[in-house]
Amino acid sequence: ILNVEQSPQSLHVQEGDSTNFTCSFPSSNFYALHWYRWETAKSPEALFVMTLNGDEKKKGRISATLNTKEGYSYLYIKGSQPEDSATYLCAFPSSNTGKLIFGQGTTLQVKP
Amino acid sequence: DAEITQSPRHKITETGRQVTLACHQTWNHNNMFWYRQDLGHGLRLIHYSYGVQDTNKGEVSDGYSVSRSNTEDLPLTLESAASSQTSVYFCASSRGLVDTQYFGPGTRLTVL
Repeated sequence: ILNVEQSPQSLHVQEGDSTNFTCSFPSSNFYALHWYRWETAKSPEALFVMTLNGDEKKKGRISATLNTKEGYSYLYIKGSQPEDSATYLCAFPSSNTGKLIFGQGTTLQVKP
Repeated sequence: DAEITQSPRHKITETGRQVTLACHQTWNHNNMFWYRQDLGHGLRLIHYSYGVQDTNKGEVSDGYSVSRSNTEDLPLTLESAASSQTSVYFCASSRGLVDTQYFGPGTRLTVL
């Protein structure tokens, strides 16, 4: 059974703080690792799809790194803003079906 | 612009009634998915389809069915609605098996 774990479960930071959280996934049969941003009362929105070990992706103040050998990815947010408040999901596609296995998410709250 | 839409956005129904939720995408994606969002469980996969006439059960498929008669649509039917099916339902589509999934806006279903 594939397991994708995210930590911490929730995070409260002050505006301007930088923060990061972790996604752990099975390191065998790796195809890709997805990050999504999910704001309350909206639908999940894709941030990154990462495929190569050592990959680093960036979108504005948000960046992500990938280590496929040890099975983890970090998501970093530099200088958090209240509009960054959301749940950040990572997902790992099952190699034989392509179904995305989602982690439980990290819920970030940025206080002004 | 290509998009994915869901209808209705909100639905209230009674226990035992049959309900169908619509999902329509204009990306010409082969892969389509239905998820439900539940507190403490995140996103759980109900059914998915890899193409016309193809449907597969996800982890929480009991009480639900789907059909795929064309590329654009994957309607989700609750055969006999139960209060446990009160949830927010998201439809998603993707081009390839491990590609980004694009989510619809969601349907909030309440079963009384």
